[in-house]
Amino acid sequence: DGGITQSPKYLFRKEGQNVTLSCEQNLNHDAMYWYRQDPGQGLRLIYYSQIVNDFQKGDIAEGYSVSREKKESFPLTVTSAQKNPTAFYLCASGPFGSGNTIYFGEGSWLTVV
Amino acid sequence: GQNIDQPTEMTATEGAIVQINCTYQTSGFNGLFWYQQHAGEAPTFLSYNVLDGLEEKGRFSSFLSRSKGYSYLLLKELQMKDSASYLCAVRSLDNYGQNFVFGPGTRLSVLP
Repeated sequence: DGGITQSPKYLFRKEGQNVTLSCEQNLNHDAMYWYRQDPGQGLRLIYYSQIVNDFQKGDIAEGYSVSREKKESFPLTVTSAQKNPTAFYLCASGPFGSGNTIYFGEGSWLTVV
Repeated sequence: GQNIDQPTEMTATEGAIVQINCTYQTSGFNGLFWYQQHAGEAPTFLSYNVLDGLEEKGRFSSFLSRSKGYSYLLLKELQMKDSASYLCAVRSLDNYGQNFVFGPGTRLSVLP
């Protein structure tokens, strides 16, 4: 099936640990995005990437890191520097060009315990 | 910078019509998108405008005025399943590429 796969769906992290959220797409999309959503809030952009081996910080990049070694993969690491990481994380991808929307994975719930 | 604003909550009755507004300020505007998001799920695409005017897709329509930085989503013949959050997003082109920025979302409750 074509689509965007995020894993794990649920993740618990102890304070001081780094965790990595996986995002894989087989849609041949060039652009990929990571968003964070807190309860009752909108989506805030963490990082985005337009091509392999390149990415840009979004509005709330502090405490997060990403890599784009392959076109289909854009993993997000939540580092121990992120003081309040408990949230719903959404990965999205989309083709370039006017009129093209972005498509979302099912999301990953991260809880700090 | 970019700024997108939407009402936080709205309530409407089953079978009625509701209009959800979105105002935005951005540089490099390249399209406005509406998404529906049910609680705990990923957003799904509803509608898109890049030129001024009204786009209609079944029970959903979206309007854009670029000069006013204003859009609305119109939902007709409301059904209970339309209870969800509605997200307005602006695509803009920056020096790096295309960027999607989302508004805070409007939580719609449809009452019987």
